[in-house]
Amino acid sequence: AQSVTQPDIHITVSEGASLELRCNYSYGATPYLFWYVQSPGQGLQLLLKYFSGDTLVQGIKGFEAEFKRSQSSFNLRKPSVHWSDAAEYFCAVGAFRTGFQKLVFGTGTRLLVSP
Amino acid sequence: GAVVSQHPSWVICKSGTSVKIECRSLDFQATTMFWYRQFPKQSLMLMATSNEGSKATYEQGVEKDKFLINHASLTLSTLTVTSAHPEDSSFYICSARDPTAGYTFGSGTRLTVV
Repeated sequence: AQSVTQPDIHITVSEGASLELRCNYSYGATPYLFWYVQSPGQGLQLLLKYFSGDTLVQGIKGFEAEFKRSQSSFNLRKPSVHWSDAAEYFCAVGAFRTGFQKLVFGTGTRLLVSP
Repeated sequence: GAVVSQHPSWVICKSGTSVKIECRSLDFQATTMFWYRQFPKQSLMLMATSNEGSKATYEQGVEKDKFLINHASLTLSTLTVTSAHPEDSSFYICSARDPTAGYTFGSGTRLTVV
């Protein structure tokens, strides 16, 4: 069965510093991969997605992620973090089942930004 | 871009009553919508897949009679929590497959059963 692992529950980064959030997946076929961000009490906003093609994907708000098949990873990066980036980040893999795709989410990483 | 509207954003109900949550795709048609439940500081757990014009597909362990799903049109899916109890209190989020083959999420509904 498909699964997603986000090994870091919390990460604290200084404002202006670079960020990398880790995501590893387990899926038998070519995965559809997503990163979402969630602010407290809100829904999820898509940061970026990977379906095929260039393995380095650019998203919104200056985020990017790189798909590495050999490592089964899809890590999210940002060169310079802003205080407004503090939120919960979820990695997800799209998995086919009976013709419909459902998303399987990781447990999330809470990003804290220090001054 | 694709927008999914979810209402209400929060609701408080008495134990034993039913609550309906609506999920609408505003600028696209969604043949498939998904309902998730999220406990505090935890990830999203898929409850069911809502298919327009047919019965919903529930995940293992989700009570079909407790969580009624109706997807009567290409833009609307509803989740009704029947005979709600305090343990049903949670954050419920819907999503829809959008034209870019991605998933757009609603803003969520905070349900509190007292």
